[in-house]
Amino acid sequence: KNEVEQSPQNLTAQEGEFITINCSYSVGISALHWLQQHPGGGIVSLFMLSSGKKKHGRLIATINIQEKHSSLHITASHPRDSAVYICAVKEETSGSRLTFGEGTQLTVNP
Amino acid sequence: DTEVTQTPKHLVMGMTNKKSLKCEQHMGHRAMYWYKQKAKKPPELMFVYSYEKLSINESVPSRFSPECPNSSLLNLHLHALQPEDSALYLCASSQVDLVVYNEQFFGPGTRLTVL
Repeated sequence: KNEVEQSPQNLTAQEGEFITINCSYSVGISALHWLQQHPGGGIVSLFMLSSGKKKHGRLIATINIQEKHSSLHITASHPRDSAVYICAVKEETSGSRLTFGEGTQLTVNP
Repeated sequence: DTEVTQTPKHLVMGMTNKKSLKCEQHMGHRAMYWYKQKAKKPPELMFVYSYEKLSINESVPSRFSPECPNSSLLNLHLHALQPEDSALYLCASSQVDLVVYNEQFFGPGTRLTVL
């Protein structure tokens, strides 16, 4: 069992839909990243969270430390949101290492 | 400047070639990272440099040789690679703080193909 589990693995939505991607982890963490990766490579850091909620444009990320769970929400989804979304955690005892989830492939159709 | 740049974007090399990947940042970050990412898999950490000194080597084969000549630049020297080394190589950087975790900023990657 992975220390970081994401669901769903794949998600297809229609433009305008509200999207939620979930991340559960089994270890103590000091921070959690949500990352976005478009086809062809580069990774963009969307959020880094250690508690509560953050919002940037149409993206919202929440974390519940007690339940070891985080969600990434996309409001009014758009085809340009199509990408792989990766949850990564900084474990309390792992130095500078990140532990990555397997990613969620999101496809938003027009 | 809040960017990590990587060159080249794409690289094709034979198993006997020697090549280098380059990563640069001008954010004043003193930690730099190399990751390897295979298709449809998350990144795997290879090396971490902290204050230009190698602090983590995740048991990477010696055909990969990292170098950090100054605080802005990170190289990955490649020699006698195997076809299974074909992957996306990502560089990242962050501040260094022994108490607080600092966000990693990723570059666009170099897509490497070994023939």
